[in-house]
Order: sequence, then structure tokens, then C-alpha cells
Amino acid sequence: DTEVTQTPKHLVMGMTNKKSLKCEQHMGHRAMYWYKQKAKKPPELMFVYSYEKLSINESVPSRFSPECPNSSLLNLHLHALQPEDSALYLCASSQEEGRGIGAFFGQGTRLTVV
Amino acid sequence: GENVEQHPSTLSVQEGDSAVIKCTYSDSASNYFPWYKQELGKGPQLIIDIRSNVGEKKDQRIAVTLNKTAKHFSLHITETQPEDSAVYFCAASNPGNQFYFGTGTSLTVIP
Repeated sequence: DTEVTQTPKHLVMGMTNKKSLKCEQHMGHRAMYWYKQKAKKPPELMFVYSYEKLSINESVPSRFSPECPNSSLLNLHLHALQPEDSALYLCASSQEEGRGIGAFFGQGTRLTVV
Repeated sequence: GENVEQHPSTLSVQEGDSAVIKCTYSDSASNYFPWYKQELGKGPQLIIDIRSNVGEKKDQRIAVTLNKTAKHFSLHITETQPEDSAVYFCAASNPGNQFYFGTGTSLTVIP
């Protein structure tokens, strides 16, 4: 199994809603990542978890709250988002700690904030 | 910090021709260079990578070359097929695990 699975694939939410994005991998990877990607741009790193602990937060606004319940799961909790937060949110994992060496990406969640 | 430039931003080739995408980086400490392919509506897929102790790596129709002195690396796709059409991103990473994506190249293979 070399997959990173993200749910949901699409999400539309209002600015007052609370929602969560989910990510799962069963490759035994100990590093997991959240990226944000706008159209026609490269992915931008948001958070890195290493051995289930948050190791990097790239100055992401607090309306995005990551959580790593165990070594296979990664969540991103969303609250009071703005329309400019609409983007493709990508989860990735890798064997090595760090910022994505040999990382496998999920298919992403297409988020629209209305 | 690292600065990764990628060219061209768009590339169109006839089916069967070769495609070359080039990236330059600024940090001489960078030592790992992956390439990702992203199809419409999908996440990036790692297609090939190279470490700084190697000058060239090949996997079937794709190859990557690295020139450490000039700080540039390139992706070569031979015998292109329509299914190669996608956005390709290069990236560079240094021993401190700083990881930087290039700006992307939209490749179109014309049947």
C-alpha cells in the first residue's frame, strides 16, 4: 500500500462553519505534512508532524488547527475560514523526518469557502 | 534561503518528441532533488529523484541530470505520450531538510 488517502475530496463551507480534513497512510511513514496549493502555483508547506509531534508550523493562521491522533492519521481542523483560504489542501507523508524528502502526496481536498 | 527557478513555464511537444525541463537552485548545500508530476485534479506524484552524489538517473522514458557546479538539474522525457501531459514541479532540499518547489511547468503533448 503506497497510498495517502484524503477525505473528503471536495468541501464547501461557510465562513462560520467548523469542518475537518482527514488524511491516512499505512506505509509506516513517521513524517506527515499539510500543504496548501492555489491554482497554477506550487504547494506551500503548512505543517509538519514528526513521530506524531508538531515539528514545523509555517506561521499558519490559528483558524487552521492540525492534529495527529496516531502515526497513520493526520487531521486539519478548520474554523472561521476566509474566502481566500479556498484552495487544494494536500496531505503527504515520508519515511524521513524533514520537509518532504521522497514524499507521497494524497489526491487533495478541494476546499471552497463561501 | 533556497531559491528554485524552473523553466519553461509552459511546454508543448509533438507526441514522440522529447521534452526537457530545467531548474536552477541557489543553495550549494542542497543535496536532494525530486521531480513531481501533477495531473489535473490530483495530488503531486513523485516520478524520479536524484541525490547530489549522482550525476544522472534514468527510469524508462524519464531521466534526471544534475550539475552541482552550475547548480542546475533537468528532467528529460523521451518518446512523449499524451498521458505525459501534466504540470511538473522540481524541488530542492538541503541537509537541514529545507524543501523548496520550483514554479512548475505545464507540459502538453500534442497527439
